[in-house]
Amino acid sequence: GAGVSQSPRYKVAKRGQDVALRCDPISGHVSLFWYQQALGQGPEFLTYFQNEAQLDKSGLPSDRFFAERPEGSVSTLKIQRTQQEDSAVYLCASSSPGLAGSKQYFGPGTRLTVT
Amino acid sequence: RKEVEQDPGPFNVPEGATVAFNCTYSNSASQSFFWYRQDCRKEPKLLMSVYSSGNEDGRFTAQLNRASQYISLLIRDSKLSDSATYLCVVNQGNFGNEKLTFGTGTRLTIIP
Repeated sequence: GAGVSQSPRYKVAKRGQDVALRCDPISGHVSLFWYQQALGQGPEFLTYFQNEAQLDKSGLPSDRFFAERPEGSVSTLKIQRTQQEDSAVYLCASSSPGLAGSKQYFGPGTRLTVT
Repeated sequence: RKEVEQDPGPFNVPEGATVAFNCTYSNSASQSFFWYRQDCRKEPKLLMSVYSSGNEDGRFTAQLNRASQYISLLIRDSKLSDSATYLCVVNQGNFGNEKLTFGTGTRLTIIP
């Protein structure tokens, strides 16, 4: 069965460009998460959806970051006017519906480099 | 203070040795606890959940001390394939609040 997939796997953007990162969760998984992992650090939470509802966006570092999941499956993380400090790996994870503390399955990530 | 703190290492350990990692967390409302493993340039993968009673999976033993807000992972008879970064992870475990909080990770290298 297919796991979580993300695209593109690598993205190089010039400072000031907008980027869009895509996540395809495991089919049937209601919960979807975005994390940011800087070099040498653990992943840090960005935002979380249950179906199409964005329940928590407390981790988004600025208003340049925006995430959506309009039909409750595929999600897009958009970063406007990228800055060098946005360079990181962006990880998407999904989990089984409604189970608190349930296992999150991670995608391979998108490595964003802002030059 | 970070919510989850780990010694970043690196730990360089000879093959066959026993190695232990520790982690502390600050949010007493945390309900669920995990160890994840992350290989270089790969995504994190769940190694094991951690329970107060302690749990074992082959060569790996995890322990939780809620009173001290402390989590441990023990690896016995270490193998070369155990080389990775080990991430201590907690969440509050409430429905609708399932985000994971990660430590910075402890880097382990097993030396032949």
